[in-house]
Amino acid sequence: AQSVAQPEDQVNVAEGNPLTVKCTYSVSGNPYLFWYVQYPNRGLQFLLKYITGDNLVKGSYGFEAEFNKSQTSFHLKKPSALVSDSALYFCAVRPRYNNNDMRFGAGTRLTVKP
Amino acid sequence: GAGVSQSPRYKVAKRGQDVALRCDPISGHVSLFWYQQALGQGPEFLTYFQNEAQLDKSGLPSDRFFAERPEGSVSTLKIQRTQQEDSAVYLCASSLVGGGRYNEQFFGPGTRLTVL
Repeated sequence: AQSVAQPEDQVNVAEGNPLTVKCTYSVSGNPYLFWYVQYPNRGLQFLLKYITGDNLVKGSYGFEAEFNKSQTSFHLKKPSALVSDSALYFCAVRPRYNNNDMRFGAGTRLTVKP
Repeated sequence: GAGVSQSPRYKVAKRGQDVALRCDPISGHVSLFWYQQALGQGPEFLTYFQNEAQLDKSGLPSDRFFAERPEGSVSTLKIQRTQQEDSAVYLCASSLVGGGRYNEQFFGPGTRLTVL
């Protein structure tokens, strides 16, 4: 069975510092990988995805994620955090052969302090 | 509209009541998904439509849950005889086509259901 793990419930960083939100997965084959962000009382917003090709994926709002096949990880990164980046972040995986089988991690709450 | 919309945004029900949650997907999107997000958890898949066809309902937790999309656009998730464990945020998402490598799902703001 496929699964997604976000090992940190909470990540705190200072504004201007780099941030990393971790994600590891267990899926057979080569899945599609996604990051979503959720602001209070809002739906999930798509940030970026990995389909194939370059292991470093660039997305919205200056976020990027690095796919590491050997470590089955897809960590979200940003070189310089903003206070407005504070939100709940979800990693998700989906098998290539099944459009509707999207599995989400439990989420990581990112807090960026000024 | 510009995005996926859901109504109501908040719903409080007494245990045993029936509720109906509505989702308006992005115009032209073929696929529609329902998820349940419990407090402190990630969304969990409930059911999936491609146009009006419900292709997967394996995530529905019990036969009290029923979803429909009769004209291939608006969808309704109905929960009969609500129980306290049904309290959650119900998210709707849509994507452009039924399959394919480039399709990300666009989410609505969710309906927060509280069952007393």
